[in-house]
Amino acid sequence: QVQLQESGPGLVKPSETLSLTCTVSAYSISSAYYWGWIRQPPGKGLQWIGNIYHSGSTYYNPSLKSRVTISADTSKNQFSLMLSSVTAADTAVYYCARVVRETVVRGLISYYYYMDVWGKGTTVTVSS
Amino acid sequence: SYELTQPPSVSVSPGQTARITCSGDALPKKYSYWYQQKSGQAPVLVIYEDNKRPSGIPERFSGSSSGTMATLTISGAQVEDEGDYFCYSTDSSGNNWVFGGGTKLTVL
Repeated sequence: QVQLQESGPGLVKPSETLSLTCTVSAYSISSAYYWGWIRQPPGKGLQWIGNIYHSGSTYYNPSLKSRVTISADTSKNQFSLMLSSVTAADTAVYYCARVVRETVVRGLISYYYYMDVWGKGTTVTVSS
Repeated sequence: SYELTQPPSVSVSPGQTARITCSGDALPKKYSYWYQQKSGQAPVLVIYEDNKRPSGIPERFSGSSSGTMATLTISGAQVEDEGDYFCYSTDSSGNNWVFGGGTKLTVL
């Protein structure tokens, strides 16, 4: 059964870069799925950050795109998140997830991405 | 930016039917998804593509979508169904994926 585990520093200073890694077990990230990051500020709702395919194709939340980089290391079966120029507003629980891509044809072709397996999450606090 | 709107809270007695709504302008043309999140845990997918139930999700969970509103229905809600529920979908471009603000379900 596929499992995902987030890891990285729990405390990051303002203006620095947040860096997290998701290690996937019991499933190769080079197979059919996409892989993604989602975050949840304390006491608030969920925010999609972005997705990556093992080939390197990435899709980012437009509101975070200028600060986000998601990459994959197939040799380690891991994918990573980097978020630059962090502020207190980036304090959150960060989740990694396996992402399903469904192709729907209704005249036009549409792609749907949704998370079907999640890691347990890791808390990142931005503070000096 | 695109938004999905949910009621902050819904409360039912055990055995009653709970309905949680999610409104968004793109929902007439885009699928909706629903996640359940219990306190201190990661979200769990309970409905995908408007009305499909993943393996392992009880039959009392169902979904529907009509016009600009998607609805998650829990028929015969149980105490263990308490938690936060988030809808999830995309804008008309398909490039921006968003969650609703979440609905806290209380069963007591």
